[in-house]
Amino acid sequence: AQSVTQPDIHITVSEGASLELRCNYSYGATPYLFWYVQSPGQGLQLLLKYFSGDTLVQGIKGFEAEFKRSQSSFNLRKPSVHWSDAAEYFCAVYSSASKIIFGSGTRLSIRP
Amino acid sequence: EPEVTQTPSHQVTQMGQEVILRCVPISNHLYFYWYRQILGQKVEFLVSFYNNEISEKSEIFDDQFSVERPDGSNFTLKIRSTKLEDSAMYFCATRLRASTDTQYFGPGTRLTVL
Repeated sequence: AQSVTQPDIHITVSEGASLELRCNYSYGATPYLFWYVQSPGQGLQLLLKYFSGDTLVQGIKGFEAEFKRSQSSFNLRKPSVHWSDAAEYFCAVYSSASKIIFGSGTRLSIRP
Repeated sequence: EPEVTQTPSHQVTQMGQEVILRCVPISNHLYFYWYRQILGQKVEFLVSFYNNEISEKSEIFDDQFSVERPDGSNFTLKIRSTKLEDSAMYFCATRLRASTDTQYFGPGTRLTVL
């Protein structure tokens, strides 16, 4: 069955530092992968998606993610975080029936 | 940027009462979904809906739940007799057509069952 694992429950980084959030997936075929962000009390906003092609995907707010098939990973990165990036981040994969399966999320805190 | 809207933003109800959560999809979108997120947990798929029928449902979506699109615009989720464990944030999502199209999520309805 398809699944998504986010091994880090909570990460704290200093403002201006680089960020990498980890995501591993389990999927039989070529996966459709997503990163969503959820600010406190808010809905889910799509940061970026990977369907095919270039394995380095650019998203909104300066985020990027790299699809690595050999490692079954789709890690999210940002070179320099801002205090406004504090939020919950969800990695997700389309299942074969086009429903989205979400990881358990990584809460990002920013140290001033 | 197109938007999915949901009403109400917060619903408080007594256990055993019926609730209806409403979603207005993005115009021309054909696929509709409900997800829920219990506080502190991951977002879980409930049901998908296409061409006026359920395409797929999770094991969470039991006989107490139903969905419909009564007037061709609103997409609703009904919980017939709410339980304490139904307390959660419920998200509607819609997709245009192809499986590669983005699912756009609404802001959610927070349901509190007392």
